[in-house]
Amino acid sequence: AQSVAQPEDQVNVAEGNPLTVKCTYSVSGNPYLFWYVQYPNRGLQFLLKYITGDNLVKGSYGFEAEFNKSQTSFHLKKPSALVSDSALYFCAVRPPEAAGNKLTFGGGTRVLVKP
Amino acid sequence: NAGVTQTPKFQVLKTGQSMTLQCAQDMNHEYMSWYRQDPGMGLRLIHYSVGAGITDQGEVPNGYNVSRSTTEDFPLRLLSAAPSQTSVYFCASSSRGIRGNTEAFFGQGTRLTVV
Repeated sequence: AQSVAQPEDQVNVAEGNPLTVKCTYSVSGNPYLFWYVQYPNRGLQFLLKYITGDNLVKGSYGFEAEFNKSQTSFHLKKPSALVSDSALYFCAVRPPEAAGNKLTFGGGTRVLVKP
Repeated sequence: NAGVTQTPKFQVLKTGQSMTLQCAQDMNHEYMSWYRQDPGMGLRLIHYSVGAGITDQGEVPNGYNVSRSTTEDFPLRLLSAAPSQTSVYFCASSSRGIRGNTEAFFGQGTRLTVV
């Protein structure tokens, strides 16, 4: 069975500084990897995904993530954080052979960007 | 194009009551699924569907039923509500893509409290 770990419950960063949210996964084969963001009292919004190809994936709102197969990681990054980036971030994994949109999520990391 | 619509947004139930959470999508997506979100645990898959007439269990199916009579609708039924089912419920849909490489779209969520 697959699993996703987000080792930090919360990440605090000053506005303008780089932001990193960590994610590691455990799944057989070559998984599909996703990052979602959740703002208060809202549903999840898709940020970016890794399916195949270039290990550096660029997504919405200036976010990017790097797939590292040897370390089974898919860390989310943003070069310069904004106060509006404060939200709950989820990493998710989906084995390619799985039927339907069966995602396994990490526990989430709350990001707080201070002015 | 409304995306994924969930109703109601909030609900309070008494233990033992039954109810149906509604989910509808207007994107003609083949895949639909239900997740519950609990603090620190991310989202966990309850049931999913790969098309009309086809459903299957996810990670935490006990106490819930689903059906998929049309492509658009995927209701979730709580048979006999229990306090352990207090949670935020999210419906998601996605297109099949190529071996399921597409991202999921989420509804706004239903916050359910069982007393």
